[in-house]
Order: sequence, then structure tokens, then C-alpha cells
Amino acid sequence: DTGVSQDPRHKITKRGQNVTFRCDPISEHNRLYWYRQTLGQGPEFLTYFQNEAQLEKSRLLSDRFSAERPKGSFSTLEIQRTEQGDSAMYLCASSDFQGFNEQYFGPGTRLTVT
Amino acid sequence: AQKVTQAQTEISVVEKEDVTLDCVYETRDTTYYLFWYKQPPSGELVFLIRRNSFDEQNEISGRYSWNFQKSTSSFNFTITASQVVDSAVYFCALTPAYGGSQGNLIFGKGTKLSVKP
Repeated sequence: DTGVSQDPRHKITKRGQNVTFRCDPISEHNRLYWYRQTLGQGPEFLTYFQNEAQLEKSRLLSDRFSAERPKGSFSTLEIQRTEQGDSAMYLCASSDFQGFNEQYFGPGTRLTVT
Repeated sequence: AQKVTQAQTEISVVEKEDVTLDCVYETRDTTYYLFWYKQPPSGELVFLIRRNSFDEQNEISGRYSWNFQKSTSSFNFTITASQVVDSAVYFCALTPAYGGSQGNLIFGKGTKLSVKP
């Protein structure tokens, strides 16, 4: 299977703990996106990478959130000092160079902060 | 500001009925792209269609068809002869064609479609 993969699929953590999620995009895709989806809502853009460069961050991405894409392949999203409001599905997507091309989404990581 | 509105929160139909999902968007960009994605109960978003703002031709793909009307800023999606497997949440999304936000999809809240046998 050469689709977008995410790990873990589910994460339960206690408030105040740090968590890290991983996304492996489709191998030939230059762009990688992170979105957050809460219950009953559409996905909301968080940040994106063009190869290893992080080109845009949403205002939703507080300073507790950090994302990296070393070597332009997989990406990690870290949330420090988690809060209950961080509970959501975190989605990763990838596309080829042209940003308006279709994005292929991974299965998501569901985060529950207790 | 850019915005996508899907006014229908939930729709329930009986199998073989036709159903139309509405999407209205707002943007100041002259060139942009519109998308529809399907999110089945399994959760993974599936790409259905992309349309650029210069192409107002309607598109048909099997039982699916899309009606893009720039004059009313709408991009509606019709499923003909619906099937139980069409049950999912459907999202309409928008992105500018140029600029730093190119590719950042702005999604509507989605329409949950339930097709009953």
C-alpha cells in the first residue's frame, strides 16, 4: 500500500503530557499538510511543508505545537503540555508540487486528552 | 475572507433516490479550486473531484455529477440512484490557485448522508 500512513492511530494522554504523531506521505509527493478535525466539523488547516521547508502555519497552531519534516520525507507533529481542547483527529495529507492538486489523506490520529 | 458553507447538516434518503448536496463558497480570489471529498465511517477522506474557477462545465462520473455555477458561487454535488455504500460525510473545500495559501484547503462543515435500504 503506497498511500499516506499515520502513526499512532489512537492516542490517549493525560493533560500536560507531550505527544508526537508521525505521518509518512506518498513517496513522490513534495507537499505535506497537517489538519485538525473535531467532531461534526470539517478539517481545519494547521501547517504545510514543501519538501523540508515549513511554509505556512495557521493561527490555530499555538506555540505548544511544532511540526518538522526532516529530509523532506516523513513529518512529525508534536503537542507539548496537552490540553483537553487538543482532543481531535489529526489528519495528514500529501500532494505533488502544485498546491491546488488533489490531496491524499491518511487515516488520521485520534487524540484524546483526559 | 474565504468560506465554504454546506447548509445541509444531515440528509437521509432511501436507496435509489437521487440526492443533491449543496455547497456555497465565498472568496475574493479570481482563480481558485473547488473540491469534494467523501469521509466514510472508516474516517479516511477520499478525493472525489477538483474543479478550477475557469471551468464551469458540469461533470459526470458514473452516478456522480457536479454543477458549478460561478454566478451563484455554488458547486453542488448530485448522486443519482443512491446506494447504501454512499452513506458518508461529504465535504466541499476551496483553495486559492496562487499565493502562500495555495493548497490550504478550506472545508465546509460537511453533510452527513444516510442512505437506507
